[in-house]
Amino acid sequence: DAKTTQPNSMESNEEEPVHLPCNHSTISGTDYIHWYRQLPSQGPEYVIHGLTSNVNNRMASLAIAEDRKSSTLILHRATLRDAAVYYCILNGGTASKLTFGTGTRLQVTL
Amino acid sequence: EAGVAQSPRYKIIEKRQSVAFWCNPISGHATLYWYQQILGQGPKLLIQFQNNGVVDDSQLPKDRFSAERLKGVDSTLKIQPAKLEDSAVYLCASSSRYRAGDTQYFGPGTRLTVL
Repeated sequence: DAKTTQPNSMESNEEEPVHLPCNHSTISGTDYIHWYRQLPSQGPEYVIHGLTSNVNNRMASLAIAEDRKSSTLILHRATLRDAAVYYCILNGGTASKLTFGTGTRLQVTL
Repeated sequence: EAGVAQSPRYKIIEKRQSVAFWCNPISGHATLYWYQQILGQGPKLLIQFQNNGVVDDSQLPKDRFSAERLKGVDSTLKIQPAKLEDSAVYLCASSSRYRAGDTQYFGPGTRLTVL
């Protein structure tokens, strides 16, 4: 699986937008970009995924660079409940397994 | 729709003892995964089932860990005998199919402490 690079931690103020970056310079043409998050003492939770085009859902937006070597998860208005570890993961081909890194720990403050 | 169920939620055992974890995936999901998450790390895939067949068990320590998914529904993960380094959260996940773009749904996990 291609490797991703994320900052170890980020901070945000409540009700402000948050942009979580992910670099994946060795991504292949068939790799999907997935984002999961893990709240304290819970299992990971799906956030969003995409292949080439930007994606929006009720939780977040995913902006994918034109060369696909990086992507950004956008939380439009962070709340205290968004404090979690966010994982950017690639998988492709016929493999559905997820290879987690250490992710970005997002802190949200009042 | 009910989520992925796991039991027990917590387990404390002494080293060299045996332990088993149970997982009930989302109804109709063909693919089931077991992950191990050590404190401070991301989850690591141990084994993946497609229906009741093993697709990937390359990171399963087969000398002490075993897993089965009888009838392609529930699954059990066993550790025998346990070591101190097995202390971790064991997560079960399921997905409807076996393709790269599929979403995985995770259970709450079982926290294992080996003393």
